[in-house]
Amino acid sequence: DTAVSQTPKYLVTQMGNDKSIKCEQNLGHDTMYWYKQDSKKFLKIMFSYNNKELIINETVPNRFSPKSPDKAHLNLHINSLELGDSAVYFCASSYPGGNTGELFFGEGSRLTVL
Amino acid sequence: AQSVTQPDIHITVSEGASLELRCNYSYGATPYLFWYVQSPGQGLQLLLKYFSGDTLVQGIKGFEAEFKRSQSSFNLRKPSVHWSDAAEYFCAVGRSGSARQLTFGSGTQLTVLP
Repeated sequence: DTAVSQTPKYLVTQMGNDKSIKCEQNLGHDTMYWYKQDSKKFLKIMFSYNNKELIINETVPNRFSPKSPDKAHLNLHINSLELGDSAVYFCASSYPGGNTGELFFGEGSRLTVL
Repeated sequence: AQSVTQPDIHITVSEGASLELRCNYSYGATPYLFWYVQSPGQGLQLLLKYFSGDTLVQGIKGFEAEFKRSQSSFNLRKPSVHWSDAAEYFCAVGRSGSARQLTFGSGTQLTVLP
């Protein structure tokens, strides 16, 4: 069983389109995250949710909107896609409170904007 | 603000050789330090972490790391590298051990020669 699963794994789309990436975790964690990894492998946090409540919202364009229907799911919707949005997006989760410091990552969703 | 520097973008070693990956951090208080590994096409996996106590910490897959406060370093080591260790390695620093506050370095790509 995959602990943190993301769909789709690959996404190729045109500029201006809207797309979504879904994430589900079956670890019973209450905190979930979206990270963006750029072409230089630099990993930066975008959002974090704790029990469906947004707790971290880094400087991310308003075109990015996370949604957490329940604590096991955190989806990412992106409007009006731009070339610079091309990246690998990782979903992650952590133990209650996140105090162990350990993140459990999904396999990533590679988004290519043409 | 906390930051992490991994000075080596790419390291190549022969199978069976020893390995040391460098990590330097900047943080105003006692840091919480982590090493994660990313295999090709996969998400990141925690190798080891340092919160307090013994400055030499053991991790999974035979890795260890040593915290040196005087040098602001947390270098990762392995006595004998296996071909399966080829991956991207990320150092991260956090606040209070919280996964919510992790800052990642830019990664070091490890190539293992047969």
